[in-house]
Amino acid sequence: GDSVTQMEGPVTLSEEAFLTINCTYTATGYPSLFWYVQYPGEGLQLLLKATKADDKGSNKGFEATYRKETTSFHLEKGSVQVSDSAVYFCALSTNSGNTPLVFGKGTRLSVIA
Amino acid sequence: GAGVSQTPSNKVTEKGKYVELRCDPISGHTALYWYRQSLGQGPEFLIYFQGTGAADDSGLPNDRFFAVRPEGSVSTLKIQRTERGDSAVYLCASSLTPQYNEQFFGPGTRLTVL
Repeated sequence: GDSVTQMEGPVTLSEEAFLTINCTYTATGYPSLFWYVQYPGEGLQLLLKATKADDKGSNKGFEATYRKETTSFHLEKGSVQVSDSAVYFCALSTNSGNTPLVFGKGTRLSVIA
Repeated sequence: GAGVSQTPSNKVTEKGKYVELRCDPISGHTALYWYRQSLGQGPEFLIYFQGTGAADDSGLPNDRFFAVRPEGSVSTLKIQRTERGDSAVYLCASSLTPQYNEQFFGPGTRLTVL
């Protein structure tokens, strides 16, 4: 079945450090890929998405590129802030029209000043 | 506009009891999803509605779990004979159409079974 694997956390970084959170997937067909973020005390929010190979999703300084050849969708940010502290989830959905999301386990990021 | 709302935000119950969890999707969203998130894990799919009908209930763990959406808007997730292993955060999400692919999540209901 479809699955998502993302790097284990927690990840602790100093402010202005570079962030990478790795995500790889297994899926039949050509899934859409997503990064969701869960800030402390809040619900899941869509951070960015990409729907086909080589697409780059971006939002709030975060980027991820859909790499079909490596089945990856790594999340990056050039300079993290304390306010980026949250749990990040990589997810996929197939484009069959019946599209429940398949999530990774999540990566907790803590950014310290 | 209003987002997805879920009630109650917290539910504590005893083993063997029956519980109902409610989800109010964003107005006009035809697709509605239930997920379950255990501690330290990502959300896991339970059931998906398109309109009033359950289009996919393959994620329901057993027949103690049931969900309805009688008028194509509000949905209720029902759990019979609760077990301690049912303790988790139950998340609801809605999307404009299934093909649109962007799901908007509610804050969740934290269920604790003692």
